[in-house]
Amino acid sequence: NAGVTQTPKFQVLKTGQSMTLQCAQDMNHNSMYWYRQDPGMGLRLIYYSASEGTTDKGEVPNGYNVSRLNKREFSLRLESAAPSQTSVYFCASSKPGGTMNTEAFFGQGTRLTVV
Amino acid sequence: EDQVTQSPEALRLQEGESSSLNCSYTVSGLRGLFWYRQDPGKGPEFLFTLYSAGEEKEKERLKATLTKKESFLHITAPKPEDSATYLCACTGKLIFGQGTTLQVKP
Repeated sequence: NAGVTQTPKFQVLKTGQSMTLQCAQDMNHNSMYWYRQDPGMGLRLIYYSASEGTTDKGEVPNGYNVSRLNKREFSLRLESAAPSQTSVYFCASSKPGGTMNTEAFFGQGTRLTVV
Repeated sequence: EDQVTQSPEALRLQEGESSSLNCSYTVSGLRGLFWYRQDPGKGPEFLFTLYSAGEEKEKERLKATLTKKESFLHITAPKPEDSATYLCACTGKLIFGQGTTLQVKP
């Protein structure tokens, strides 16, 4: 049971470099999310996609772009990495049921360091 | 603006000492309140979903309750293995609180 798979697990970037974090889910979920987690800050929503073909900004979208490639995949791109983007990034997916959300399942995280 | 706030930020308990964690929320149109557990170096793991005021859910030593403005996670007679960060989240965008880090000492 793969669930939500994130790649890579670890990454070190130099300031100004770009990279794409990949996320794929095999649970046929409609909604997908990208979060970042910093010490003492909890999980902060970067972007989310309610369904294939739609994306929307979360709490901290600046410096990031996303692509909902298809129902399974939701990627997060850093165009010009900055040290402030050093964080642990989590992808999640859920299957909303009408007016009520169902629980989200999380990937194992990508630990990104920008030097 | 939707907001989720958890308290306390950190909680230290002795094994067997019961307590409660709080999650207060201000959201437009609650579509479910979720509790998660997160162990160091791992992604959050789902615990409970609550949909309406008065609802309660239980799992082993944990019990989650919901009112119109807040949710509580009650921990009865905790064990060291209950040590973790507990997160709550709600709304359609799945906004999280900052979490409560629980440490249970033997």
